Amino acid sequence: GEDVEQSLFLSVREGDSSVINCTYTDSSSTYLYWYKQEPGAGLQLLTYIFSNMDMKQDQRLTVLLNKKDKHLSLRIADTQTGDSAIYFCAESDNFNKFYFGSGTKLNVKP
Amino acid sequence: SAVISQKPSRDICQRGTSLTIQCQVDSQVTMMFWYRQQPGQSLTLIATANQGSEATYESGFVIDKFPISRPNLTFSTLTVSNMSPEDSSIYLCSVAPGQGAAGYTFGSGTRLTVV
Repeated sequence: GEDVEQSLFLSVREGDSSVINCTYTDSSSTYLYWYKQEPGAGLQLLTYIFSNMDMKQDQRLTVLLNKKDKHLSLRIADTQTGDSAIYFCAESDNFNKFYFGSGTKLNVKP
Repeated sequence: SAVISQKPSRDICQRGTSLTIQCQVDSQVTMMFWYRQQPGQSLTLIATANQGSEATYESGFVIDKFPISRPNLTFSTLTVSNMSPEDSSIYLCSVAPGQGAAGYTFGSGTRLTVV
């Protein structure tokens, strides 16, 4: 399968910005996604970006895509304690298969 | 996007027994997917379930261990058979996005502990 890499942990203070990074290997990726998993829950789609875009902003979330470097990032502005969760990046080259990163555990300290 | 009801949400099972997990979708979907998330790890695709045909299993997963049913376009089950402690995981079902949408929808997951 394709490789999707993420750092495992990120700790920030409430009110700061969080930046979660992801790298992938599949150059034919069509969509790249960010999912959030709160403790004991399933995955919630946060946002996604089409591979021909380099930025997408949605309220507090900003996704940046560097297709040349195969690097995806998720910036959360004004991070809140409710943002504490595991964040997964994922990519797909079609609608049949997803490849998930290992997840980044975001800890927001009050 | 589709809404998925998955049950049970959690269960503790004895080794050697089987557990069937159900996923009900509020709309008709062609493809449903079953994932496993082992403790502290990412999601691994088990199989793709299409209505009216046998499920397609990923490498490392076999039908005898994880039989899947897909009787109609809104429902699927995954059975974890002859369980061992190594099967302790979260199991999630997922559906592909509808037309004009992007991003798969996931069920809330079934947290399975095998003792």
